[in-house]
Amino acid sequence: QVQLVQSGAEMRKPGASVKVSCKTSGYSFGAFYIHWVRKAPGQGLEWMGIINPNIGDTTYSQKFQDRIVMTSDSSTSTVYLELSSLTSEDTAVYHCTRDVGFWSANGMDVWGQGTTVTV
Amino acid sequence: QSVVTQPPSASGTPGQRVTISCSGSTSNIGSNDVCWYQQLPGTAPKLLIFKNSQRPSGVPDRFSGSRSGTSASLAISGLRSEDEADYFCAAWDDSLRGGVFGGGTKLTVL
Repeated sequence: QVQLVQSGAEMRKPGASVKVSCKTSGYSFGAFYIHWVRKAPGQGLEWMGIINPNIGDTTYSQKFQDRIVMTSDSSTSTVYLELSSLTSEDTAVYHCTRDVGFWSANGMDVWGQGTTVTV
Repeated sequence: QSVVTQPPSASGTPGQRVTISCSGSTSNIGSNDVCWYQQLPGTAPKLLIFKNSQRPSGVPDRFSGSRSGTSASLAISGLRSEDEADYFCAAWDDSLRGGVFGGGTKLTVL
């Protein structure tokens, strides 16, 4: 079955960086884009950006533009999110989720279980 | 502060129909399709509605969506206790050149 399995919880000090992985399985890796979405305590969902795993092309939210990097590794069908210059406001659960297109009207149909990042 | 606005809370009794609104602008809901997501406590979000009103397989027909102008809404009929969750609308924003989610609505089944 289709699965997105994320790496475990992380704890960082302010100013540090964190890298979260999202291992995909059960479908053709390059056939779907991957979004990263986060949810901070007491807040709503927040879109961070999207990557085309086939070619590594990315689009980031303006809010994170200066300190976010998304990458992909087709040999392991894994996508990565790296966020730097962390502050307490980055404490959140981070989810990867797939989409058949670049923010397609079909929505994000499969989600990773989430990775808690505590700063 | 999200550019797409939802009421923070909604409630209803079992069997009732409730509606959750999602208000945006011409750059997001006014020009792009809307999706709705349900997030049960402690779990990942789940796609509930896509293309404004379409349901993925497995989503009961008690859930329905609509979009008109710069607003969208999610209706849940025959309310059940297991519907108690957070609900989020989402759309692409052409001005921001990014995706936007509503602030979320916490649904309580009384």
